[in-house]
Amino acid sequence: EDKVVQSPLSLVVHEGDTVTLNCSYEVTNFRSLLWYKQEKKAPTFLFMLTSSGIEKKSGRLSSILDKKELFSILNITATQTGDSAVYLCAVERAYSGGSNYKLTFGKGTLLTVNP
Amino acid sequence: NAGVMQNPRHLVRRRGQEARLRCSPMKGHSHVYWYRQLPEEGLKFMVYLQKENIIDESGMPKERFSAEFPKEGPSILRIQQVVRGDSAAYFCASSPRGVRDRGTGYGQPQHFGDGTRLSIL
Repeated sequence: EDKVVQSPLSLVVHEGDTVTLNCSYEVTNFRSLLWYKQEKKAPTFLFMLTSSGIEKKSGRLSSILDKKELFSILNITATQTGDSAVYLCAVERAYSGGSNYKLTFGKGTLLTVNP
Repeated sequence: NAGVMQNPRHLVRRRGQEARLRCSPMKGHSHVYWYRQLPEEGLKFMVYLQKENIIDESGMPKERFSAEFPKEGPSILRIQQVVRGDSAAYFCASSPRGVRDRGTGYGQPQHFGDGTRLSIL
């Protein structure tokens, strides 16, 4: 069975700090790893990672994947109170049809950024 | 709003009643996924549908749960004879049909709706 483990489960920081969130996985026929941000409602897509060592960046957020060691990290620099949320990591298994397929999620990291 | 639309946002049912949750995918998306989120748990896959077809229902309980995605109209997740343990947030996600990202050649990510919070009295 596919498995995704995120750490830490929760984290409290002050505005301006830099945080690193971790995600390790075990999946048969790995296809991609995705990061989502979940506030009160819908998980919002952040990154999709398919290749090792290639950093994806969006503003203060960045993420990288290591397919040999089976993990990914999500970095947030100069954190703001609006970054407070649950950050979800998910893996997608390869599917012969070439279309998207089901995601296996970790339990998430609850990030709280205090002013 | 061109996003994934779910309704109702909140649904309260008594034990033994039926719950119907609706999901309209993003415009242009023909793949729909349902996930369940229990308190303190991650999102768990339930079922993957395309128009008029169930592709994978390996995450659905064998009894009382069913899903459909008709040719016209939203996808429906139905729970019959609800029990307290069915209380959860149910999320729907959608993705486009067979569209590959130009950079990676992989499929597009799933986009989620705001969820339906089901409470069983």
